[in-house]
Amino acid sequence: DTGVSQNPRHKITKRGQNVTFRCDPISEHNRLYWYRQTLGQGPEFLTYFQNEAQLEKSRLLSDRFSAERPKGSFSTLEIQRTEQGDSAMYLCASSPSSAGEQYFGPGTRLTVT
Amino acid sequence: TQLLEQSPQFLSIQEGENLTVYCNSSSVFSSLQWYRQEPGEGPVLLVTVVTGGEVKKLKRLTFQFGDARKDSSLHITAAQPGDTGLYLCATGRNAGGTSYGKLTFGQGTILTVHP
Repeated sequence: DTGVSQNPRHKITKRGQNVTFRCDPISEHNRLYWYRQTLGQGPEFLTYFQNEAQLEKSRLLSDRFSAERPKGSFSTLEIQRTEQGDSAMYLCASSPSSAGEQYFGPGTRLTVT
Repeated sequence: TQLLEQSPQFLSIQEGENLTVYCNSSSVFSSLQWYRQEPGEGPVLLVTVVTGGEVKKLKRLTFQFGDARKDSSLHITAAQPGDTGLYLCATGRNAGGTSYGKLTFGQGTILTVHP
């Protein structure tokens, strides 16, 4: 296993379209996190899963955002009716436990035009 | 209000110079982490400091956790162009050591080291 992978790496979409990102964590890591990062800022927490259960969602995660981790392995983050303000880097991280180090993927950079 | 305040926000220096980046908070933490992030990549953990007054060294990087566990600093000696990147402090635990799970990051310091 070479680490956390995210696809696609870049996504350009028009306002109003739906987009879906995928994250494949390090195998056997039961925690999976999604963060959003705008240019020159630190990442902001969006949501996390322990196995397939979504345990917490940030208030940043509006109704247009939904995340799933159906089998406790990979996760998807969907944004419906994208807005220009959704343009950001979406980072995924995984850890072996709540106290374990989080390993980040390379991110998906979303540009909404 | 940011839980973790980093300064400076931007730092542009010449190769060979020394620099210090600060991470401050009004809250007490049982641990703080420092990450480095290159453009187009995710953050990579550099170090975790857990004891008040602790100093950790990683080659030319020196990390210090304040005695009161409310602040931390990162000092780079003889900076090189390869040190260029976004330096982030973060915490995932409160003063009692309870893990939040999620990480809360500072806004970061963008370091540029010119050859």
